[in-house]
Amino acid sequence: AQTVTQSQPEMSVQEAETVTLSCTYDTSESDYYLFWYKQPPSRQMILVIRQEAYKQQNATENRFSVNFQKAAKSFSLKISDSQLGDAAMYFCAYRSAAGGGADGLTFGKGTHLIIQP
Amino acid sequence: NAGVTQTPKFQVLKTGQSMTLQCAQDMNHEYMSWYRQDPGMGLRLIHYSVGAGITDQGEVPNGYNVSRSTTEDFPLRLLSAAPSQTSVYFCASSPRGGLLAKNIQYFGAGTRLSVL
Repeated sequence: AQTVTQSQPEMSVQEAETVTLSCTYDTSESDYYLFWYKQPPSRQMILVIRQEAYKQQNATENRFSVNFQKAAKSFSLKISDSQLGDAAMYFCAYRSAAGGGADGLTFGKGTHLIIQP
Repeated sequence: NAGVTQTPKFQVLKTGQSMTLQCAQDMNHEYMSWYRQDPGMGLRLIHYSVGAGITDQGEVPNGYNVSRSTTEDFPLRLLSAAPSQTSVYFCASSPRGGLLAKNIQYFGAGTRLSVL
């Protein structure tokens, strides 16, 4: 079974600064997908960014980028120019490519991101 | 533009009561899943379905039943609620795997359930 570990229960950053959230995972599979989801106080799960394991290039979505290190099984999220609206819980998640990923996501326990004005 | 719709948004039950959490999606997705979210635990998979008539257990299935009679609906049943089932429940759907599908799961807004 796969496991996802987020070692930072809480992070704090000044507005406009850059912050990196850590995620490591354990799997014996070679083909999989990794995701970062954002959960604001509204509870809605919002996809931030995704990465295919077969791609060496790190994914980027505007101010959000990842550092994907497949050999180290590491998948960190970097948020540049932090904004007050970025304050939320952030979850790292893994999805197997086997069977088309039918059996859902495996989540980490989350990192609570605080933005200081 | 509804996406994944969960009802109700909030529910309070007494121990031993039964209820069904509803989930419907209008995106014609084959895959649907139920998760529960507890403080400090992240989201954990309860049950999932790969299509109408096909369901399987996830990480924490005990105390929950599911069925999938149509592509659109995937209800979660609590037959005899227990305080340990107090949680926030999320339903999610995704298209069958493939490059175009991007393997993204789309989540409903969640149901907060309290069992007294």
